[in-house]
Amino acid sequence: TQLLEQSPQFLSIQEGENLTVYCNSSVFSSLQWYRQEPGEGPVLLVTVVTGGEVKKLKRLTFQFGDARKDSSLHITAAQPGDTGLYLCAGGDNYGQNFVFGPGTRLSVLP
Amino acid sequence: EAQVTQNPRYLITVTGKKLTVTCSQNMNHEYMSWYRQDPGLGLRQIYYSMNVEVTDKGDVPEGYKVSRKEKRNFPLILESPSPNQTSLYFCASSLSGLRGAPYYGYTFGSGTRLTVV
Repeated sequence: TQLLEQSPQFLSIQEGENLTVYCNSSVFSSLQWYRQEPGEGPVLLVTVVTGGEVKKLKRLTFQFGDARKDSSLHITAAQPGDTGLYLCAGGDNYGQNFVFGPGTRLSVLP
Repeated sequence: EAQVTQNPRYLITVTGKKLTVTCSQNMNHEYMSWYRQDPGLGLRQIYYSMNVEVTDKGDVPEGYKVSRKEKRNFPLILESPSPNQTSLYFCASSLSGLRGAPYYGYTFGSGTRLTVV
């Protein structure tokens, strides 16, 4: 089973700052990003499938590496509502090895 | 509203007492899955179902059973719960999937926090 690495593990920033979190592993066919708030289930933010793909969701920018071995999530002007656990998840073309990463726990202080 | 509904949200039980956690989705999704989430171990797949009457083991199936008699429901059964099954459980669904992977992103339920004493 392949593993996903996410960094940093924890991140605490002030409101208004920018940040980037990372997800790395072997080659994926597609990759998903989720945000999970305490006591709730993860909520899908985006799915990326094409190497080099960039998707934007308001202040969130998601990038999939050209070789599909890594992905990043950039948040511009973070707000307290962005606080949560950010998870990446991915697998190969054959439905094997789909796993979730350990997550980055983000805290945005007012 | 499109959603995955799990019940109960919280459950405390004793070792060996059979229990069922229900899961229902209203999105006509083919693919459903159960995960458990533990500190330091993240989300791990227990069982998945690619369609009605089609279920298979995920990464941590020991001590669990599932059934998929109809498309919308995917209950998780613990025949004889033990303390190491204390965890936060999530049911999730996706439009379709292959083996252990959803083709599309998951819609997750709100979770069931289970404590086995």
